[in-house]
Amino acid sequence: DVKVTQSSRYLVKRTGEKVFLECVQDMDHENMFWYRQDPGLGLRLIYFSYDVKMKEKGDIPEGYSVSREKKERFSLILESASTNQTSMYLCASSMTSGSTDTQYFGPGTRLTVL
Amino acid sequence: GDSVTQMEGPVTLSEEAFLTINCTYTATGYPSLFWYVQYPGEGLQLLLKATKADDKGSNKGFEATYRKETTSFHLEKGSVQVSDSAVYFCALPSSGYSTLTFGKGTMLLVSP
Repeated sequence: DVKVTQSSRYLVKRTGEKVFLECVQDMDHENMFWYRQDPGLGLRLIYFSYDVKMKEKGDIPEGYSVSREKKERFSLILESASTNQTSMYLCASSMTSGSTDTQYFGPGTRLTVL
Repeated sequence: GDSVTQMEGPVTLSEEAFLTINCTYTATGYPSLFWYVQYPGEGLQLLLKATKADDKGSNKGFEATYRKETTSFHLEKGSVQVSDSAVYFCALPSSGYSTLTFGKGTMLLVSP
């Protein structure tokens, strides 16, 4: 069965801390994505990666960076967390870049920055 | 750019009622269209999709027909259950990215 796992379901951090969110997929997918989900705004793409060590900015990359050292793992990094980064973070993966490809999502990490 | 507009929620229904959630899109050409569902406490999962105009996607009693004349992909179900309570997202492939553009989501609440 398809599986995307995220390292934490809930996370509480303080302003200025460096935060790592980890995502692992077991489907040998090429593409991986990070979204944030906020009420009234839906899902917004932060970054995506189409191969190991490759990354592309999405719609809202400011304040975030990513790392993909292995095909199955895609990390989202908040260099210096701020309160406006309090949100639900969703990781997803897809087999290729095809326009009909299904994206598979993890359960999400609800991050609170105090 | 390409975009998706969904009806705002929440949509509140009684069990066995008929459901329609509207979705219209703006895009160049005829992209694939998707409905994703997010159950409480979970990530999104694909509910159904249609890859070309006039196609009908269906799954779990839900249906949506790709109508290019009205640029719409409305989600319907004849008889909803309490277990259908979730947030529903319409989506299409993003222009410029190898990913999806999602609507803002429509929450459905079904009461017994």
